[in-house]
Order: sequence, then C-alpha cells, then structure tokens
Amino acid sequence: EADIYQTPRYLVIGTGKKITLECSQTMGHDKMYWYQQDPGMELHLIHYSYGVNSTEKGDLSSESTVSRIRTEHFPLTLESARPSHTSQYLCASSEYALRGTRDEQYFGPGTRLTVT
Amino acid sequence: EDQVTQSPEALRLQEGESSSLNCSYTVSGLRGLFWYRQDPGKGPEFLFTLYSAGEEKEKERLKATLTKKESFLHITAPKPEDSATYLCAVQARGQNFVFGPGTRLSVLP
Repeated sequence: EADIYQTPRYLVIGTGKKITLECSQTMGHDKMYWYQQDPGMELHLIHYSYGVNSTEKGDLSSESTVSRIRTEHFPLTLESARPSHTSQYLCASSEYALRGTRDEQYFGPGTRLTVT
Repeated sequence: EDQVTQSPEALRLQEGESSSLNCSYTVSGLRGLFWYRQDPGKGPEFLFTLYSAGEEKEKERLKATLTKKESFLHITAPKPEDSATYLCAVQARGQNFVFGPGTRLSVLP
C-alpha cells in the first residue's frame, strides 16, 4: 500500500483566501506531481518536481505554486482562491525515471476543494 | 500531441459476465502504459505497467495486454467489488503521464 498522504481531505473556503494543500510521502520517491481532476474527467498535470529544489509547470495552466524543500513534502499553494479553482486535487509520487526503475505513480487520497 | 482515449465510457455487467475495456493511444515513443483503478472520492490505485507490444500482466480477475496502438483490460467473471473507474495512462520517453478519461464499470449482483 502506498504511503502518500494529503491534508485536508475536504476544504470549503471563501473567494480571495490563501490556501495550502499538503502532500507528504514516506517512500523516498524523487518525483512528485500535482493533478487536478473534475468529476468524470481526466487527470490534468499542474505541477511536478524531480527532487529537492526542482519544480516545473505541467500541461494545465494553473494559478497555483509549489515548493520542494524536502524530498518527502510537496505543498501546493493558491494565493487567492476563486470559484474556478473548485476541483479535486491529487498528489502522486514515483521513483525517478532516469534510474530505470519502476515508473508507476502512487496517489494520495486527494483534497476536494470548494471555493464559494 | 500525445493522446489517450478509452472505451466504452461506461459499462454495466452482471456478476460473472466477462468483458474488456479498451485504451487507444498515440504517443511519440512509448515508455510505458499504465492501468489504474479509481474508486469514487479516492485517488487512483496502481494496477499494471506494460512496456512493449505483446506484453501481458495479470492480477486476480484482471488481465492487461498491449499492442502498438492500444491496450485491453480484460475482466474475467467480475464481482460487484470490481466496480470502479478504470484509468489508462501513457508515458512517452522523458515525458510525464497523459491520462485517459476512464471507463466507469458497474458490476451488478
């Protein structure tokens, strides 16, 4: 079973508030990801990281930012929440692909965000 | 542009009625194809990785196969607990993952 955790699981917040979604993994994985998923829709990559001090934007334009100060921790921040940010946010991790080891991603349980 | 489509969008089966889910992909240099299971309100759960055409993987009632253009997830004698959304994803060489929209499977007792 994957050891990747997300908090909070559910969040309802008003427009304009700053929020941080937490993600931690205990598997020692180098690569971490944030996805956004609307009900019944595909996962869209919004940010990823190859390791400490590495962050990249994904395919989906996002107003969020991420940081990677420790290997196990990859928080996502929204400086000013808007109703359009209402969605499910999924964090995942994998072993670094260049090592030639398994590439599969392990996902956390997700954070369901509602901005009113 | 890398793309993944899945069919059918939704599938209802009676318990014990075997069937297959399809994942079609276009990708420049496939590194791997991945199958996940996602239960409502939860994150996807990893099932299989397939790396080359002709490869097959099995786990309990599930069997995944891969050709150069598509992958199938065969479900043999499904049970109600197999009800979930099944996601397919591809990874091109050196790139991130592209996910399909999923197939919602319902297995009725």
